Amino acid sequence: GAGVSQTPSNKVTEKGKYVELRCDPISGHTALYWYRQSLGQGPEFLIYFQGTGAADDSGLPNDRFFAVRPEGSVSTLKIQRTERGDSAVYLCASSRERGWPQHFGDGTRLSIL
Amino acid sequence: RKEVEQDPGPFNVPEGATVAFNCTYSNSASQSFFWYRQDCRKEPKLLMSVYSSGNEDGRFTAQLNRASQYISLLIRDSKLSDSATYLCVVNQRGSTLGRLYFGRGTQLTVWP
Repeated sequence: GAGVSQTPSNKVTEKGKYVELRCDPISGHTALYWYRQSLGQGPEFLIYFQGTGAADDSGLPNDRFFAVRPEGSVSTLKIQRTERGDSAVYLCASSRERGWPQHFGDGTRLSIL
Repeated sequence: RKEVEQDPGPFNVPEGATVAFNCTYSNSASQSFFWYRQDCRKEPKLLMSVYSSGNEDGRFTAQLNRASQYISLLIRDSKLSDSATYLCVVNQRGSTLGRLYFGRGTQLTVWP
């Protein structure tokens, strides 16, 4: 398909484990964003990539969270030593350039037991 | 204080009703404004951008008041398929351009 693809769609893991969430943006989109959405809340910004570099990572809650985009396309969000409070839907979005309309993937529903 | 404040609702209206949602934003540097729609357990989808002069897309009308930092969405002739959560979203100038700030969403249920 032509949309933003996120895998896995669901992830259940135990507290303390390491998880990786993947995002495949729309082809040709240089800007990629990660958001986190908790139940009953709107999405909250985590990090933004322009090409391969993280242009704004000020939304990452702490140093357990890290994201990469090594070739300027696919991005991976990595969470170390997961905690129950990390449970949320993690949304990825991409846009043609910074400031253009963002298109969201279906999200990864992360549950930490 | 949150960047974007919305009344979470829920709003329950009959088919054919007119319903209005409002939101306020706190940062005067906000540059772009949007309404997104989110169905249950689905991703947010862009419904419409909001322009200073106000704009309309079919049954949907969006308004922006920069002086009051206030955004509205009006839905006329509500359909069952309009049932969803409506997210008010802003984008700021400068270094955080591109980073979207979302309200918590207003839940709408349209009943037959």
